[in-house]
Amino acid sequence: GAGVSQSPSNKVTEKGKDVELRCDPISGHTALYWYRQSLGQGLEFLIYFQGNSAPDKSGLPSDRFSAERTGGSVSTLTIQRTQQEDSAVYLCASSGGTGTYSGANVLTFGAGSRLTVL
Amino acid sequence: EDQVTQSPEALRLQEGESSSLNCSYTVSGLRGLFWYRQDPGKGPEFLFTLYSAGEEKEKERLKATLTKKESFLHITAPKPEDSATYLCAVQTNTGANSKLTFGKGITLSVRP
Repeated sequence: GAGVSQSPSNKVTEKGKDVELRCDPISGHTALYWYRQSLGQGLEFLIYFQGNSAPDKSGLPSDRFSAERTGGSVSTLTIQRTQQEDSAVYLCASSGGTGTYSGANVLTFGAGSRLTVL
Repeated sequence: EDQVTQSPEALRLQEGESSSLNCSYTVSGLRGLFWYRQDPGKGPEFLFTLYSAGEEKEKERLKATLTKKESFLHITAPKPEDSATYLCAVQTNTGANSKLTFGKGITLSVRP
């Protein structure tokens, strides 16, 4: 597509429920990133995909968080047994970078999924 | 560990009052420094990439500069529509991973 699409744009859930957030990157972009943005905080890196593999999962805050990417395109971020501290905006970005050194790679962001855990 | 610090946290300007936003960074090897603009309820929008000390880039009322330790985003004669949060990020030479490490952002308000 023309840009990075994320769904849902807003999600309200109860503590303990599981949620899935979806990201549809720009067509042809091989790299995909998930970030989290809490109120008053900067963007916190969660996970990076190159194709369908995830070379860097170091930002996932706990084992309740997982992500997958299929077909080198759509990615899903899953949060199990949600907690109130999971409330944040979850941003997805994609890049045409190949992962090798070819200059800095510009990330294009989606509008985000706002998650509220009651 | 890569670190990015932005200052001030918030800045209020009168329309036409020029100023600068600061981004200090500590990285092991800089591949690129990025400036993004973020409007409320939206994702960050790319503005500039700077690759090496001494480099400058301009776009309308914005000019970004880079040294070995910091970057400045200069805003000349700002307008109310320049009000937004400005994010600085670094990308480092850490092999295949090209993630960006962000600062907390600077919220700019421009009064008419």
